Amino acid sequence: SSELTQDPAVSVALGQTVRIACQGDSVRNYYANWYQQKPGQAPVLVIYGTHNRPSGIPDRFSGSSSGDTASLTITGAQAEDEADYYCNSRDSSGDHLVLFGGGTKLTVL
Amino acid sequence: EVQLVESGGGLVQPGGSLRLSCAASAFILSNYEITWVRQAPGKGLEWVSYISSSGSVKYYADSLKGRFTISRDNAKNSLYLQMNDLRAEDTAVYYCARHVGVYYGSGRLNWLDPWGQGTLVSVSA
Repeated sequence: SSELTQDPAVSVALGQTVRIACQGDSVRNYYANWYQQKPGQAPVLVIYGTHNRPSGIPDRFSGSSSGDTASLTITGAQAEDEADYYCNSRDSSGDHLVLFGGGTKLTVL
Repeated sequence: EVQLVESGGGLVQPGGSLRLSCAASAFILSNYEITWVRQAPGKGLEWVSYISSSGSVKYYADSLKGRFTISRDNAKNSLYLQMNDLRAEDTAVYYCARHVGVYYGSGRLNWLDPWGQGTLVSVSA
């Protein structure tokens, strides 16, 4: 099996840049996806394949990776970006097996 | 708008059973792989199960120990998660999500999009 590790909480001042990290062998070997989840709502895909942004997602969201760490960067954070963010990749046991990080709660101050 | 809608959640006693359904709008469910994910109250996301578009390939989280069964009836454009011998720790919001996969080189890139709104399963006496 595999694990993805995220910091439990991160904060950012309104309009500033924040990076949310996700560490694990699956990131090094495969890819990372990122989901945003606001209270009481379902997760929404914001980055797939480490650095691809789905249509409709603001361009202030970007993704990258280096070694075993993937990052979600929000450039110019807005109040509406306050949410939980989960990284996701595949399990080493098979490409249809889904692995999630523990999530990072982003607070916009 | 492409959407998934779950149904079938509710309150059940320990040891009981529930069957969740997942329906699609604005796309043909039978053409897509589907994954179930759950989220216990105040906790993170946990992968539950996967089914291929044909229904011939299924995977489950090890923690379920054979209590859950995923299935689909493509003729009815429907997909199900049968949950048996439910325990308090199964209490969660259950989401179905479209499992998208793209092959590249020697690997496959997978992501989940969109997700349904979720259905709450509560296991309590």
